[in-house]
Amino acid sequence: DAGVIQSPRHEVTEMGQEVTLRCKPISGHDYLFWYRQTMMRGLELLIYFNNNVPIDDSGMPEDRFSAKMPNASFSTLKIQPSEPRDSAVYFCASSKEGYQPQHFGDGTRLSIL
Amino acid sequence: QKEVEQDPGPLSVPEGAIVSLNCTYSNSAFQYFMWYRQYSRKGPELLMYTYSSGNKEDGRFTAQVDKSSKYISLFIRDSQPSDSATYLCAMNWGNQFYFGTGTSLTVIP
Repeated sequence: DAGVIQSPRHEVTEMGQEVTLRCKPISGHDYLFWYRQTMMRGLELLIYFNNNVPIDDSGMPEDRFSAKMPNASFSTLKIQPSEPRDSAVYFCASSKEGYQPQHFGDGTRLSIL
Repeated sequence: QKEVEQDPGPLSVPEGAIVSLNCTYSNSAFQYFMWYRQYSRKGPELLMYTYSSGNKEDGRFTAQVDKSSKYISLFIRDSQPSDSATYLCAMNWGNQFYFGTGTSLTVIP
């Protein structure tokens, strides 16, 4: 079975630009999680969805960040406007039940110049 | 105090050595205990998970959970250069997951 698929793998853009990250969870998984990973802070949960509905977005750092899940097979994380401190690796993960171990994609490495 | 503590290393061992990776935690309500392996420029890959105290073995890997001490370990026997990666422990209470910061392991041929 295909794992979690993220795109793009790398994104380099200038400060102030809009950035959209995409994720396709594993088929049949009802939970989708967005994380950010940095050397200083490790993995941080940004937001998670259950059956396409956002459940907890308390980790979203600012109003510049937004996430949507229009259907069971697709989610986006958007940053507008982007800032250099948003540079990090962003991971999407999914699980069948919220309490079960999550499966991660290979991430999007984001660099804001 | 952090929910999960993990020594970041780095840890460097010769090929064939037994490796011990450890995490401590503070919340006695944690349910699943997981180990992820993360290669450079890849996502964390679920290696093993266990729901209870005791040992779980999978090939060269053994996961151990001691709930009384709030301590978990991952043992790698006959370590190989391909085991060189960062290992993250994780645990959860319901839908809340807590990750260690990862231990960087290098196995030298």
